[in-house]
Amino acid sequence: DSGVTQTPKHLITATGQRVTLRCSPRSGDLSVYWYQQSLDQGLQFLIQYYNGEERAKGNILERFSAQQFPDLHSELNLSSLELGDSALYFCASSVGPGNRPEQFFGPGTRLTVL
Amino acid sequence: KNQVEQSPQSLIILEGKNCTLQCNYTVSPFSNLRWYKQDTGRGPVSLTIMTFSENTKSNGRYTATLDADTKQSSLHITASQLSDSASYICVVDEELNFGNEKLTFGTGTRLTIIP
Repeated sequence: DSGVTQTPKHLITATGQRVTLRCSPRSGDLSVYWYQQSLDQGLQFLIQYYNGEERAKGNILERFSAQQFPDLHSELNLSSLELGDSALYFCASSVGPGNRPEQFFGPGTRLTVL
Repeated sequence: KNQVEQSPQSLIILEGKNCTLQCNYTVSPFSNLRWYKQDTGRGPVSLTIMTFSENTKSNGRYTATLDADTKQSSLHITASQLSDSASYICVVDEELNFGNEKLTFGTGTRLTIIP
């Protein structure tokens, strides 16, 4: 158990809908990262937050947005969902940027768009 | 475009045998190289993290090597166990500003250990 929690574990929805994925980092970690892993694909970095502020952006679509709240939990919002958005979404946390911090991954949320 | 390529794509070996997984990368500027183990449907777990100046790093039966000149890394697994069956992912950190890093993931090597 990495100490990172993600909810829900599974999510099934229809095209065009909007969903919110939630992540709680390990106790004491200030950075949160979001990743997408499509079937048989490598993990793709989406976005990073540190202590409530956006720090780095990867291949995140405009239909997707995220935020980190004062209690450090984070939410990833996916809207106007398409079939291709079906994937595993992972959240990871670390103590913060710099000095090669180890990232601890949550169990993931499996999103299925029908 | 920054890329991380791994080989082989999949590997099957007998329990107790050794194996070596390869990783080539083109990420620049490069700061760290990581190896992760990912069980099917679960989050990756860190095995090793190396800076560009380190040549080798061990974690139990796992030993990672890095040649920053040729941009190659390998992960050697000794005396394999059934629990080693998983995907092994090579990850390279691209150094951004303000101490931030962007991780580029390889697609992994799927290792299966058979009794």
